[in-house]
Amino acid sequence: GAGVSQSPSNKVTEKGKDVELRCDPISGHTALYWYRQSLGQGLEFLIYFQGNSAPDKSGLPSDRFSAERTGGSVSTLTIQRTQQEDSAVYLCASSGWDRAVYNEQFFGPGTRLTVL
Amino acid sequence: QKEVEQNSGPLSVPEGAIASLNCTYSDRGSQSFFWYRQYSGKSPELIMFIYSNGDKEDGRFTAQLNKASQYVSLLIRDSQPSDSATYLCASRSGSARQLTFGSGTQLTVLP
Repeated sequence: GAGVSQSPSNKVTEKGKDVELRCDPISGHTALYWYRQSLGQGLEFLIYFQGNSAPDKSGLPSDRFSAERTGGSVSTLTIQRTQQEDSAVYLCASSGWDRAVYNEQFFGPGTRLTVL
Repeated sequence: QKEVEQNSGPLSVPEGAIASLNCTYSDRGSQSFFWYRQYSGKSPELIMFIYSNGDKEDGRFTAQLNKASQYVSLLIRDSQPSDSATYLCASRSGSARQLTFGSGTQLTVLP
């Protein structure tokens, strides 16, 4: 595909349920990021994958959150036992690998998660 | 303390005016800085990045970086109603790849 895709676009769930959010990065991009954006807020980093290296999980807010990336491409973010404070837009981004001080991250359209 | 601070606004400017968006950061290890534009309900899109002190111009946009003052700004010349959006400032530190974002400044350009 031409850009980063995410599914579902919207997810409504009940408190206590588990949810899975999917991200398909731009073909050839080795780096993949998950952020979340609460209403009226900036983006909060969650987790970063680079190739086959161990992911940087430093942004995950609790052990209810986990993510995996299969085959260096598609990633799934899982939230277990969802809470109302998990309601946010979950954004995935990907970038090519480079050693420059900049690397443009291309964002997907996001998944809007609502926990009732 | 949030690492990247922005005035949340809203900021309103008349069409054709210069819009000035400001951002400060607390991590002196920050090496590169990014301005993203986010339309309501849409995902962020990169406008500019800067990593050297001084000004960087791209069309109607100018990014300014002052590492001594830990200050980044974005100027939008000849503002258009289509520039109305939330502008997110982000930094990247050292070898880290993830970005640290400010809360964004909402800009409205009035016709």
